[in-house]
Amino acid sequence: SQQGEEDPQALSIQEGENATMNCSYKTSINNLQWYRQNSGRGLVHLILIRSNEREKHSGRLRVTLDTSKKSSSLLITASRAADTASYFCATNTGGFKTIFGAGTRLFVKA
Amino acid sequence: EAGVVQSPRYKIIEKKQPVAFWCNPISGHNTLYWYLQNLGQGPELLIRYENEEAVDDSQLPKDRFSAERLKGVDSTLKIQPAELGDSAVYLCASSLSGSFANEQFFGPGTRLTVL
Repeated sequence: SQQGEEDPQALSIQEGENATMNCSYKTSINNLQWYRQNSGRGLVHLILIRSNEREKHSGRLRVTLDTSKKSSSLLITASRAADTASYFCATNTGGFKTIFGAGTRLFVKA
Repeated sequence: EAGVVQSPRYKIIEKKQPVAFWCNPISGHNTLYWYLQNLGQGPELLIRYENEEAVDDSQLPKDRFSAERLKGVDSTLKIQPAELGDSAVYLCASSLSGSFANEQFFGPGTRLTVL
């Protein structure tokens, strides 16, 4: 079973716009990670945010975590065509198990 | 540095046939994972190894799936016999250790089609 649920399932935007994806989960976590998957490169780790952190930045990526609402968001600013991919949130709970959500499919139009 | 290597990249077999996937993790990574990914879904863990030991195989369908990681490096995942529902992408990943704070590095996957 998958703990993380991404929203929206699919997103289409113009190049230069910002893209926001959300992830909700059900049980307490140790950390939450975001991964990107495209056909050319497979799954790639983007960023990890720990349960005691609220916001984290990496280049054009901004991740927030609200443990009270059991949710996280990934913001990609100034999107590029190369950002077209599926984005997955992955939660780590006790027992070191990583559980992936079903993903958000992002399409950035040039 | 070489990433996680998987072979074959694609495999087409008929149902009831056996199939095997091979994975070579990043050098020095003690933890190895096998995931199954169905179309339009996220990866689902099948088995996790810490060195040679399978420490989490609760999601592995043991009646037809088996895995091994001899010498704590390369790993093989086998299905015997394959069923139509096994068609999916099988991903291998590795990390420095099983700590929940560690980033996992994924291979390109093996796309299995069972006819």
